[in-house]
Amino acid sequence: DAKTTQPPSMDCAEGRAANLPCNHSTISGNEYVYWYRQIHSQGPQYIIHGLKNNETNEMASLIITEDRKSSTLILPHATLRDTAVYYCGGIIQGAQKLVFGQGTRLTINP
Amino acid sequence: GAVVSQHPSWVICKSGTSVKIECRSLDFQATTMFWYRQFPKQSLMLMATSNEGSKATYEQGVEKDKFLINHASLTLSTLTVTSAHPEDSSFYICSAIARTRDTEAFFGQGTRLTVV
Repeated sequence: DAKTTQPPSMDCAEGRAANLPCNHSTISGNEYVYWYRQIHSQGPQYIIHGLKNNETNEMASLIITEDRKSSTLILPHATLRDTAVYYCGGIIQGAQKLVFGQGTRLTINP
Repeated sequence: GAVVSQHPSWVICKSGTSVKIECRSLDFQATTMFWYRQFPKQSLMLMATSNEGSKATYEQGVEKDKFLINHASLTLSTLTVTSAHPEDSSFYICSAIARTRDTEAFFGQGTRLTVV
């Protein structure tokens, strides 16, 4: 399983791009990188996932390095509602298990 | 997106009693469900993985006789906390993998358990 490492906290100004890094140096070849966020003890909300290629959806972009040992989640225009704890994790295709790191507490400042 | 519903959203029980938490996939069939526990200001800790029709696989340090998991159908998994104690008070969250989209995991809204 990928062991993920994230900075414990980050700040970002409203309207700016928020770039959240995640190291997953032990990730295996068939293991997807997932990003979720959690707002104040609610259930985690899915953001994006990827395997090798960079991905983009309506919420965010995911940039995965060529060696797949790290990735960056990009929120292009952060709003106050993006304040949350962001978790990256790994899941093996075929769904053995999904585990998370300690997460990054992102605070968007007005 | 797919919907996972957990019930109850919160529960208070007396020490020594058992509590059952349900996790349902409402609009998809879930081949695999995960159960997590989360203490305040900590990350989600995986407790066990359950596959429909088979025994759950528990993570190291999680007592299988205390946390009973049943995944009887493709839309329902239950977690029973037996003989609950105050230290079992936590936020319990389930997640489900869709049968036809096995690279996506969907989470329930969580259950806040308080043992008094």
